[in-house]
Amino acid sequence: GAVVSQHPSWVICKSGTSVKIECRSLDFQATTMFWYRQFPKQSLMLMATSNEGSKATYEQGVEKDKFLINHASLTLSTLTVTSAHPEDSSFYICSARDDRGNQPQHFGDGTRLSIL
Amino acid sequence: EDQVTQSPEALRLQEGESSSLNCSYTVSGLRGLFWYRQDPGKGPEFLFTLYSAGEEKEKERLKATLTKKESFLHITAPKPEDSATYLCAVQAIYSNSGYALNFGKGTSLLVTP
Repeated sequence: GAVVSQHPSWVICKSGTSVKIECRSLDFQATTMFWYRQFPKQSLMLMATSNEGSKATYEQGVEKDKFLINHASLTLSTLTVTSAHPEDSSFYICSARDDRGNQPQHFGDGTRLSIL
Repeated sequence: EDQVTQSPEALRLQEGESSSLNCSYTVSGLRGLFWYRQDPGKGPEFLFTLYSAGEEKEKERLKATLTKKESFLHITAPKPEDSATYLCAVQAIYSNSGYALNFGKGTSLLVTP
């Protein structure tokens, strides 16, 4: 079945560090990928839509200079949390939409980010 | 504004005790309603997509149904391995976010032996 790989699965780093998270579709092409954030006991909240070959679309309240998104190929999107602070600690999850259409979105296993 | 509300927040069942989870939604044109299962520390795993009122889908002990206002996920004779958080999400036709999903908060299901 369709697989989305997300890496790393867990990151602990100091305040002020920038952290890059990768999201790969392993057996399908994905022009569009999505980045979500999930706090404990809360729903997944859409942060941004990542489009291959063009700029990402950010949801209201999400700082584009803070959360840099690069969708360099049809199978890879990256999210970089720049100058991370403790309030950025969260569970970040990506999903990918199969270009063949009429397919459900498939999710990565998430990245637990802890900023000390 | 599109909204998705799931109930109950948490549900505890004995093994074999059937029940239903509810997902109420308001959306400006429904493209699809999705059910996912999420285990702790993992990403959501796809279960079903429903597109129109009256549609039903089944998979093992799970059955999803859809009306114009809500969806139900029926769990028949659950087993402990069915314990997880079940997420409902809608995809709107008229959305600034394209094909992005709008999730409810989920129902945390615990099935005890």
